Amino acid sequence: QQQVKQSPQSLIVQKGGISIINCAYENTAFDYFPWYQQFPGKGPALLIAIRPDVSEKKEGRFTISFNKSAKQFSLHIMDSQPGDSATYFCAASKGNTGKLIFGQGTTLQVKP
Amino acid sequence: DSGVTQTPKHLITATGQRVTLRCSPRSGDLSVYWYQQSLDQGLQFLIQYYNGEERAKGNILERFSAQQFPDLHSELNLSSLELGDSALYFCASSPVLGGSPNTGELFFGEGSRLTVL
Repeated sequence: QQQVKQSPQSLIVQKGGISIINCAYENTAFDYFPWYQQFPGKGPALLIAIRPDVSEKKEGRFTISFNKSAKQFSLHIMDSQPGDSATYFCAASKGNTGKLIFGQGTTLQVKP
Repeated sequence: DSGVTQTPKHLITATGQRVTLRCSPRSGDLSVYWYQQSLDQGLQFLIQYYNGEERAKGNILERFSAQQFPDLHSELNLSSLELGDSALYFCASSPVLGGSPNTGELFFGEGSRLTVL
């Protein structure tokens, strides 16, 4: 019940395309869902986060879609750029505890 | 740069040995979290400290221990090392108990890469 499952494991997208990464969770007590971006040799950094009282949150080219009934959420990167090439992690937690359950990560490559 | 400093960046040691990883949180941050990143287990929460006190434990082995000092820096001690302990160990910090207010953000350091031979 503590798992967060993320797919795909890797993704290749052409510049200007849409990148979509999906996550599913089991624990209905989770109420905070962040996405972290990690570049090689760096630590993860918060990209965008959502709470279950809204179905979508958009920040620039990044959008989280949240489906509470399906226990799924996804990250959409519009107009993907080579600079977006990184590993993306979805996560979940019960409350704002800092104790995050991370997905396995998706390595995104955006080809110029 | 997140403002979280971790040392050493790389560490190579042998099985059975003991190592200490150090973390200096962002200025003013009271919470420190330790996470382990390995190929097979992904990113896993190990332990959290807030203002010197242990506040939450995750999948931390009994061979591992941590502490947070009065100056708020933290150390993760790994003993009786095994090959499977090879991983990236991340420290993260936040200003409060939990993630940052409003965003819930944790600020991660660049990690300490441990290789056990």
